[in-house]
Amino acid sequence: EVQLLQSGAEVKKPGESLEISCRASGYSFSTYFITWVRQMPGKGLEFMGMIYPGDSDTRYSPSFQGQVTISADKSINTAYLQWSRLKAPDTAMYYCARGGGVGESPLDSWGQGTLVTVSS
Amino acid sequence: SSELTQPPSVSMSPGQTARITCSGEALSKQFTFWYQKKPGQAPVLLIYKDSERPSGIPERFSGSSSGTTVTLTISGVQAEDEADYYCQSADSSGRYPVFGGGTKVTVL
Repeated sequence: EVQLLQSGAEVKKPGESLEISCRASGYSFSTYFITWVRQMPGKGLEFMGMIYPGDSDTRYSPSFQGQVTISADKSINTAYLQWSRLKAPDTAMYYCARGGGVGESPLDSWGQGTLVTVSS
Repeated sequence: SSELTQPPSVSMSPGQTARITCSGEALSKQFTFWYQKKPGQAPVLLIYKDSERPSGIPERFSGSSSGTTVTLTISGVQAEDEADYYCQSADSSGRYPVFGGGTKVTVL
């Protein structure tokens, strides 16, 4: 069974750094994109970026380029989403999903989400 | 253009048929996927490659495509179908996924 297990909720202050994780199991981690999706309170789903662990091909939405860093560690089947300096508007639920949502490949399995709250 | 346009909301009574449209220039060239999102839960894939249904998804959910518009149909809406529904496709380059704004389905 495909499973994506995300790290727990975080409460941070503006300016702090943060890394959240998404641990995959039940499939070959290197052969599917992992996509990160944001949902701000009361808003819709937004594509942030994605990574193909097999060759580290990483793509960012223009809206998030330079704002976050996506990485993956094939040795432990885990993808990461990182901020160097959080801002209050980064408060949101963040989901990882298997697949790239391009071509024939949907986002077919999702993590449970990680709630990030940024507040002074 | 990479935008996908959905109606903000749709309401119907149980047993009726709901049709949710998604429009965008790239849809004539790219496959579309549909997701169901309930409060407090992760999104669930409902439809892939315009009209294919993953195993475990009820048959009342179906998808179709015509030119630059795709449609999610819920035949015989049930109370448990009350949720937000998102279409998703790729941008015109085919390299980046794009989401529609979402449609809130209310079952009266």
